[in-house]
Amino acid sequence: AQKITQTQPGMFVQEKEAVTLDCTYDTSDPSYGLFWYKQPSSGEMIFLIYQGSYDQQNATEGRYSLNFQKARKSANLVISASQLGDSAMYFCAMREGQASGTYKYIFGTGTRLKVLA
Amino acid sequence: EAQVTQNPRYLITVTGKKLTVTCSQNMNHEYMSWYRQDPGLGLRQIYYSMNVEVTDKGDVPEGYKVSRKEKRNFPLILESPSPNQTSLYFCASRAPSYNEQFFGPGTRLTVL
Repeated sequence: AQKITQTQPGMFVQEKEAVTLDCTYDTSDPSYGLFWYKQPSSGEMIFLIYQGSYDQQNATEGRYSLNFQKARKSANLVISASQLGDSAMYFCAMREGQASGTYKYIFGTGTRLKVLA
Repeated sequence: EAQVTQNPRYLITVTGKKLTVTCSQNMNHEYMSWYRQDPGLGLRQIYYSMNVEVTDKGDVPEGYKVSRKEKRNFPLILESPSPNQTSLYFCASRAPSYNEQFFGPGTRLTVL
């Protein structure tokens, strides 16, 4: 069963508008972490934001925020005021076994975002 | 500059010819990991290591070997590459107390 699901293969957004990229996850581990990464066309993987399963507040990093809804098992990425440079592939990922300190990560299949001028 | 380096960046080889992709990090990180990225499949973890001489399988370990003899290095070995191992490979490292993984630039491997 897929543990990380990104249902939007591709999305368009107008420059300066906000956009939400969807991510749902599945785990029975009470301790886990959720991540978003950006992969521009140049290919490198860029860490954007992290949310721990026990964190009470939604994570924010500049124009990025993570809308964490634990009961729904969703961890959507919200990008405010989109810029042309935001055009990229975005991956949602989960790390299970946080309490035991494992290093096992599961990635979604990605959402390709195109920002329109 | 803190970084993860991978070599080679590009490699075209033939079926069955053993190869090694090197990965090195200069951040003294305990954790290191290998991923492969394929279109429509995202990134999948191949192997990871939580310290020297400690390695464990990820989701797609078949056909790969790793070793962690030094903290900074984590080579990925393909003993007998096959065309289905054609992929983009990433190495990553992380310190235990931090959430952020640092990724290498990627190695694009083609097996003919």
